[in-house]
Amino acid sequence: QVQLVESGGGLVKPGGSLRLSCEASGFTFSDYYMNWIRQAPGRGLEWLSYITTSGGTVHYADSVKGRFTISRDNAKKSLYLQMNSLRADDSAVYYCARDGSRTTSYYYMDVWGKGATVTVSS
Amino acid sequence: EIVLTQSPGTLSVSPGERATLSCRASQSVSSSYLAWYQQKPGQAPRLLIYGASSRATGIPDRFSGSGSGTDFTLTITRLEPEDFAVYYCQQYGSSPGYTFGQGTKLEI
Repeated sequence: QVQLVESGGGLVKPGGSLRLSCEASGFTFSDYYMNWIRQAPGRGLEWLSYITTSGGTVHYADSVKGRFTISRDNAKKSLYLQMNSLRADDSAVYYCARDGSRTTSYYYMDVWGKGATVTVSS
Repeated sequence: EIVLTQSPGTLSVSPGERATLSCRASQSVSSSYLAWYQQKPGQAPRLLIYGASSRATGIPDRFSGSGSGTDFTLTITRLEPEDFAVYYCQQYGSSPGYTFGQGTKLEI
């Protein structure tokens, strides 16, 4: 079935780095734009980043621009988020999500992973 | 940047009743860019509505979306116990990127 599975979360010290992965299955990964979204404990959803099918175009929220890098490997059906200079307020559950906009004229995220937890603490 | 404001913050209703959730944008939003999600505790969000009024695959017809411009509504009729959750609206902006409302908690 259509599925996204995140991995790579964990505990990291402030200023440290972490790389999240998101493996896709059940659909043609290379046909879809992809997103990263996070949710801090007890808070709402915050969109972080977006990447087009080839990886040629990426966009970031201001809160992570210059610190986080999104990338993808279509051969491995995988999406990545490299997170550097991590701060305590980056602690959250990080979700990857499939974007519907390339194949339709609508903007939404229709398939979500279960999330990976990142905790930034000394 | 367009800000989405959802109201109420918490809505208390009973099973079998109707719930009306509001999402107001600080500037006009294309209906094509407006979606609604449901999130239950410990779970990922689930897409309910896209294009302001189109139900996603597998979503029951008791969920409906409406609105245009700056005012959008998610209506849930005949509330079932499994509908009690947090609901988020989302828009795609010209920045570009997505923004979400702060959420409405639907409780019994």
